[in-house]
Amino acid sequence: QVVLTQSPSASASLGASVRLTCTLSSGHSSYAIAWHQQQPEKGPRYLMKLNNDGSHSKGDGIPDRFSGSSSGAERYLTISSLQSEDEAEYYCQTWTTGIQVFGGGTKLTVL
Amino acid sequence: EVQLVESGGGLIQPGGSLRLSCAASGFTVSSDYMSWVRQAPGKGLEWVSVIYSGGSTYYADSVKGRFTISRDNSKNTLSLQMNSLRPEDTAVYYCARGWSSGLDVWGQGTTVTVSS
Repeated sequence: QVVLTQSPSASASLGASVRLTCTLSSGHSSYAIAWHQQQPEKGPRYLMKLNNDGSHSKGDGIPDRFSGSSSGAERYLTISSLQSEDEAEYYCQTWTTGIQVFGGGTKLTVL
Repeated sequence: EVQLVESGGGLIQPGGSLRLSCAASGFTVSSDYMSWVRQAPGKGLEWVSVIYSGGSTYYADSVKGRFTISRDNSKNTLSLQMNSLRPEDTAVYYCARGWSSGLDVWGQGTTVTVSS
């Protein structure tokens, strides 16, 4: 079964850029994923679907500051021009027949 | 506007039952894949169940045999019947739309607390 691995935490300064990583388990490097943002005390918000070739399609209203890319089994979420409201938990997610899988999440702190 | 609104959460004793509902607007539940996802206090997201547009259903091993997902096409709602509840089922439960593009619409969640 596919497993998604995320670093528990990340931090970056206001106005800077940060890249978050989601790693697919061995044998699953072709999988597409989705990225979600969860701000404190709120429900998740869909950011984008990210394919293994790096192409991505963002959800409605997602700013251009959010972008995705891929390399092998790694899927990245890059946030540029960090704002205070970007401080949140970020989850990657993938799917196969009959099951959805989430990564453990990365807590992003904006300094 | 596409929206999902959950209801039905509450405090329930271990071994009890609860039924969650999710009202959809802006799209047709029966035409899409619909999931339930939960989040235990201080923990990450855990997928619970899905109902495909064709009616097939799937469950996480942790709830198989205890939870049942269904939909009411006339009311455009999704439901989750939860039986034999355990303390470890305590979580915020979200309904969400989508599958192979990711879960692209989420509700605001409803809280279930299983405790004596």
